[in-house]
Amino acid sequence: QLVLTQSPSASASLGASVKLTCTLSSGHSSYAIAWHQQQPEKAPRYLMKLNNDGSHNKGDGIPDRFSGSSSGAERHLTISSLQSEDEADYYCQTWGTGTVFGGGTKLTVL
Amino acid sequence: EVQLVESGGGLVQPGGSLRLSCAASGFSFSDHYMDWVRQAPGKGLEWVGHIRNKANSYITEYAASVKGRFIISRDDSKNSLYLQMNSLKTEDMAVYYCAREMAYGDYSLGPFDIWGQGTMVAVSS
Repeated sequence: QLVLTQSPSASASLGASVKLTCTLSSGHSSYAIAWHQQQPEKAPRYLMKLNNDGSHNKGDGIPDRFSGSSSGAERHLTISSLQSEDEADYYCQTWGTGTVFGGGTKLTVL
Repeated sequence: EVQLVESGGGLVQPGGSLRLSCAASGFSFSDHYMDWVRQAPGKGLEWVGHIRNKANSYITEYAASVKGRFIISRDDSKNSLYLQMNSLKTEDMAVYYCAREMAYGDYSLGPFDIWGQGTMVAVSS
């Protein structure tokens, strides 16, 4: 069964970097994913598509501070030079038979 | 401007029906697979289902939680996506988003690259 696992929460200081992780279930380590950001009380926003080789395609207007990387079944979202507006929920998404979302990671900027 | 705007949300009693609409603008709607995603209060995102494009026979697929109760349709002449929700349950209460799947030729690449602002559906007696 295709499942995405995310840590429920993460925190980092203003101006620092943070790495969020989304883990694909066993047997699905070659799958691409997408990262989405949801700021409080807003709709989700597409950040990037991240392939299993680490290559990624960001959405329009997504700052260079957002980058992606892959290692085995793990897909990472790194946000550098954290700003207050980066405080949000981050969801990973993948697709096969239908679409699957991870449970989301709530990022707190200290 | 590429945009998706949902409408039709509201309060409905358990067992009732509701039809949501999503108006698309700024892109070639007919080329894309289109999806509905929901988010219950304080919870994460849950995929509801999608409809493929004409080139892929407008095939629909649904999450197990809504299969047999919800119907997704589209009208490419009106650049519109619809979600007919029947036999509503309290657990269907959520913000409903429409989303566009990234296209590659006649097919979908998978990621949702455009989201609407959402419409709230409340199910309560």
